[in-house]
Formats: sequence, C-alpha cells, structure tokens
Amino acid sequence: DTAVSQTPKYLVTQMGNDKSIKCEQNLGHDTMYWYKQDSKKFLKIMFSYNNKELIINETVPNRFSPKSPDKAHLNLHINSLELGDSAVYFCASSSFGVAEANEQFFGPGTRLTVL
Amino acid sequence: GQNIDQPTEMTATEGAIVQINCTYQTSGFNGLFWYQQHAGEAPTFLSYNVLDGLEEKGRFSSFLSRSKGYSYLLLKELQMKDSASYLCAVPKDSNYQLIWGAGTKLIIKP
Repeated sequence: DTAVSQTPKYLVTQMGNDKSIKCEQNLGHDTMYWYKQDSKKFLKIMFSYNNKELIINETVPNRFSPKSPDKAHLNLHINSLELGDSAVYFCASSSFGVAEANEQFFGPGTRLTVL
Repeated sequence: GQNIDQPTEMTATEGAIVQINCTYQTSGFNGLFWYQQHAGEAPTFLSYNVLDGLEEKGRFSSFLSRSKGYSYLLLKELQMKDSASYLCAVPKDSNYQLIWGAGTKLIIKP
C-alpha cells in the first residue's frame, strides 16, 4: 500500500496557467508538508499543516495556495505559473510533537515543467 | 541562525568505506536525521541521532557529537546502489520543521 501518494507525477504546462497537485497519506499522520526541490537539489519547505491547520508558511509567493480538506490530504494550487516554478514538488507527512517520530515520509514527487 | 553544511560531492570505490560529514548550527537541539535520495526519487529516512555516539544499522552507521555540532554517516562495503545524495537535517526550534542540508552526492565507481 502506498503511504504518501501524489498526483500527477509529471506536469508540463504553459506560463500563466493555473494547476493543482494533490497529495494523500494513509499513515494516520497529523502533519503534512509541501517541499520544493529545484535543479540544485536543495529541499525547501513551503508549507506545513497540522490537523488541517497551517503551521508553517515560508516565504512563498501568494500564487501558491495550499488546502487541507482533512488531515490525510494536502493539495497545492498554483496560479499564474512562471518559468521559475519549474521544479520537483514533494509532499511529505509525519507525526507531530515528538522529535523522533518526526521522521518524514515523502511522496514520489511531482516534476513540474513550465514552458 | 540555523545552518547545515555538508560536502557537495564525494567519490568512492565499490566495496570501500566512505564517511559523509555534516556540521550544524542550531539554537536548540532535537536530534539529527540522515536521508538518502536516489536520482529522480523521493528522500527516504536512514537514521536519527539524538544522543552522542555511534548508531549502527547494517552497513550504515551514523555518529553524533552535540558539543561539536557534528555528525557523520558511515557507509561500509559500498555497493553501486549506494550512489545517491545523502541529506542531513535537523529540527528547527520547537516546531519540528526540518532544516535541510543541500545534500552530498555520492558517486560509487567500480
């Protein structure tokens, strides 16, 4: 059974379009994350939700809007896509509140290419 | 501030041993994680250290020195499949948000 799943795996779109990426986890975790990994492979946290509440909102353009309908799902909507948004976006989940349990489980990633 | 440093790239030979270092600066300390990431794949958890010393897990071991702000990942009996990036991460403050190093790309040669 897949622990953290994301769709789509690949997304190719034109500049200016709006797109969404979906994420689901079946691990019963309280916390979910969105990361961006650029061509230099640096993992940068974008957002984190705990029990559907936003707890981390790093400096991200407001074109990016996360939504968590329940604690098993965290979606990412991106408006007016720009060339610089091209990257791999990873969803992850973890238990919250105990350091050792904060092992994060990652989804397979969504490779976004903006043309 | 909080910062993590690790070498960008290392090369080693199949069957050998390699040590990947990580130094960190944090305002508090809630443990240190190592993750492995193969090209085109997601990061996967390797180890977690919160106390000083060496934790061994098969061919992989992880060491921590809190007083020195230093950790290393030791990989023994290297196999070609160990070619990957290895990322060091520490929790930020009390939120358990992870601060990630840029990763060390390990290249294994026959």
